[in-house]
Amino acid sequence: DTAVSQTPKYLVTQMGNDKSIKCEQNLGHDTMYWYKQDSKKFLKIMFSYNNKELIINETVPNRFSPKSPDKAHLNLHINSLELGDSAVYFCASSQAEGTPLHFGNGTRLTVT
Amino acid sequence: DAKTTQPPSMDCAEGRAANLPCNHSTISGNEYVYWYRQIHSQGPQYIIHGLKNNETNEMASLIITEDRKSSTLILPHATLRDTAVYYCIVTPYSGAGSYQLTFGKGTKLSVIP
Repeated sequence: DTAVSQTPKYLVTQMGNDKSIKCEQNLGHDTMYWYKQDSKKFLKIMFSYNNKELIINETVPNRFSPKSPDKAHLNLHINSLELGDSAVYFCASSQAEGTPLHFGNGTRLTVT
Repeated sequence: DAKTTQPPSMDCAEGRAANLPCNHSTISGNEYVYWYRQIHSQGPQYIIHGLKNNETNEMASLIITEDRKSSTLILPHATLRDTAVYYCIVTPYSGAGSYQLTFGKGTKLSVIP
């Protein structure tokens, strides 16, 4: 009965590869987000989508491309992976502006 | 950058109340105070939020000073499962999907048996 689920939980890959992280929410929320937590444990927003439309795109390299096929899904595709991309990536959703965010349990990406 | 200041760590005895302070002296009139926590290896979990008045829910109470420059999260009876990093965040409402949470370093709360 998971509310926000991400796959995979762990992802180990080599520099230069392309990978995707999937996120699905079954809460019927309109807005979905991607956050990145770096090695210093800072959580920073990367993107937000509202009803499949991109709302926030923080200073993120264009190697990162979110894709929202429908309101319940927001996938993150990363091209040409770099060592600095190693982090934990969290997907989240919320019903509307200002309402609490529900986070997934994260995907730990390790680039070697 | 986070607009809040929190102590880096706190200890609390199991069964006692945990009082976590947060300073947000530059808070604007339209900004809310949110509290989230992150238990090890999990995603952040929403706890409570408020604007001016004190708030209480099944998890915690939020006390906001009259000048709104600081607040305290109270966990009335801390358990070992409350050991986590607690984040105090201020953010305005600014349009559908565009409000965002800026997480600082938070306070690592350790509940001790």
